[in-house]
Amino acid sequence: GAGVSQTPSNKVTEKGKYVELRCDPISGHTALYWYRQSLGQGPEFLIYFQGTGAADDSGLPNDRFFAVRPEGSVSTLKIQRTERGDSAVYLCASSLTSGRQETQYFGPGTRLLVL
Amino acid sequence: AQSVTQLDSQVPVFEEAPVELRCNYSSSVSVYLFWYVQYPNQGLQLLLKYLSGSTLVESINGFEAEFNKSQTSFHLRKPSVHISDTAEYFCAVSEKTSGSRLTFGEGTQLTVNP
Repeated sequence: GAGVSQTPSNKVTEKGKYVELRCDPISGHTALYWYRQSLGQGPEFLIYFQGTGAADDSGLPNDRFFAVRPEGSVSTLKIQRTERGDSAVYLCASSLTSGRQETQYFGPGTRLLVL
Repeated sequence: AQSVTQLDSQVPVFEEAPVELRCNYSSSVSVYLFWYVQYPNQGLQLLLKYLSGSTLVESINGFEAEFNKSQTSFHLRKPSVHISDTAEYFCAVSEKTSGSRLTFGEGTQLTVNP
């Protein structure tokens, strides 16, 4: 079946602009996660949703970052007033439930470059 | 808070040689442990995980990892590697008592040479 998909695959923007990154989880998966991977680093947790609600947003670096999942399926990560330091690969993952032992399935990522 | 340390950023080996990728973690509570692999130009894929029971877990492609609670380690091993094993490997943990977030190490690039 279809895996996690993310669009766009690449995004180039200018400092100060607003961007939206989209994630389509595996059908039927109730939990959805966002991570950010900077060059040479492992992924860092940003936020996760159980259904429509953000169950843990403690990883969001500041109030320029926001994510929604209005219908409990597709999620959008929104970044306002982008900064060069926001350049990274943004990864989305989904799991069947939010159980801590559940396998998280990752998408291919969106590579964001802020000029 | 938990943390993961992967002691080697790069591991070059020759084909058919054994390999060990090291992972140590720190946490004040019990954890679940994972190894993920990222092949070139692909997304992260789960390789294996330890949840409970036998401390030795195996993957379908010949990798194994052993949970050592006293040393807080979860090293990944393969007795004989193939060129197709060339990839970046990430160790990760999640705490049993709080949240589903994964905390990753910085990754180890395994390069298998002919």
